[in-house]
Amino acid sequence: DAGVTQSPTHLIKTRGQQVTLRCSPKSGHDTVSWYQQALGQGPQFIFQYYEEEERQRGNFPDRFSGHQFPNYSSELNVNALLLGDSALYLCASSRTSGYTDTQYFGPGTRLTVL
Amino acid sequence: AQTVTQSQPEMSVQEAETVTLSCTYDTSENNYYLFWYKQPPSRQMILVIRQEAYKQQNATENRFSVNFQKAAKSFSLKISDSQLGDTAMYFCAFMKLQTSGSRLTFGEGTQLTVNP
Repeated sequence: DAGVTQSPTHLIKTRGQQVTLRCSPKSGHDTVSWYQQALGQGPQFIFQYYEEEERQRGNFPDRFSGHQFPNYSSELNVNALLLGDSALYLCASSRTSGYTDTQYFGPGTRLTVL
Repeated sequence: AQTVTQSQPEMSVQEAETVTLSCTYDTSENNYYLFWYKQPPSRQMILVIRQEAYKQQNATENRFSVNFQKAAKSFSLKISDSQLGDTAMYFCAFMKLQTSGSRLTFGEGTQLTVNP
């Protein structure tokens, strides 16, 4: 049973560029959440996707957008990259049946913006 | 908005001993979950234990147990018989139960080092 997978593992971009990160949820899960974790801090919630729609959003600018596909996989897009976007981006999947259940995390994508 | 506070940035323990990590949270909600996740140097966030707020019984998972004090809004993690592999950053997290989607709110973490 495959867990949550994310790609790529590492990514280096320059300021102003755009980036797309990918996530495949754990088998049987239909909900994907994205978090940003700056060095030395706890993860911060970006948004959550369920039934191909953004269901909740944290305090992040519109430069951060996402998508969920019919197979439940998800993408996180960040436009006009800033130095401050350098972080570990974590994807978590869960199953929604009434309430969203426990979230299980992928290994993360380390984004460096130069 | 909910907040989670971990007041111990760093802790250390000798192998085979017991250690307790502290966490407090602030919420006006009555239905929620609390979690402890560990993040070793590999950076993979791993679920350690979960507690449902409506359950009075404290959750246990092998060597890991919690002390959940709902009135005090306290949720500590006890690790018994500490092992070298327990060395990691430990995060306490809060999740409000709702049908419109649930986010995790994390504390700042406690770096635990298990010494041989």
